Amino acid sequence: AQSVTQLDSQVPVFEEAPVELRCNYSSSVSVYLFWYVQYPNQGLQLLLKYLSGSTLVKGINGFEAEFNKSQTSFHLRKPSVHISDTAEYFCAVSTQGGSEKLVFGKGTKLTVNP
Amino acid sequence: DSGVTQTPKHLITATGQRVTLRCSPRSGDLSVYWYQQSLDQGLQFLIQYYNGEERAKGNILERFSAQQFPDLHSELNLSSLELGDSALYFCASSVSGGGSPLHFGNGTRLTVT
Repeated sequence: AQSVTQLDSQVPVFEEAPVELRCNYSSSVSVYLFWYVQYPNQGLQLLLKYLSGSTLVKGINGFEAEFNKSQTSFHLRKPSVHISDTAEYFCAVSTQGGSEKLVFGKGTKLTVNP
Repeated sequence: DSGVTQTPKHLITATGQRVTLRCSPRSGDLSVYWYQQSLDQGLQFLIQYYNGEERAKGNILERFSAQQFPDLHSELNLSSLELGDSALYFCASSVSGGGSPLHFGNGTRLTVT
């Protein structure tokens, strides 16, 4: 079975500062990795995904993430955040060759302060 | 707009009752997933249907059931409701295979009183 650990439940930062949201996963088989964002009272929106190839993936809204197989990590980064990035961020995995269902981490609440 | 439609947006009901949540997937998506989101449990996978057939099952209670119809819309039925069933229920859809991302609806907020 797969599991996802998001190491920080809350991350407060100031506007225009860089941010990193950490995600580690556990799986006995190869996985696909995803980051989703949830704004208040909305559903989850895909930020980016890693399927294969280059370990650095770029997503929407200036976010990027790096897949590190040896450390089983998939950390999300943004060099300069905006107030509008305040939201909850979820890391998720699915298994290659299996059902496409996603296993989610508990989420990280990013708060960007002026 | 993800293209996934969930109805109703809000539902308030009493313990012991039964409710039905409805989901219309994105055009062309054959898979439908149901998730439960609560503060203590986070996002929990309930069940997946692919083209009308059950494909994967997660932490779905026996009081809950789902189905996917020939037109690919899906319904999640929750019965003998308990206070602890209060949560946000999401539907998602995807094309099948190869790490296809899930596209989520805006959810149905269920409150059991």
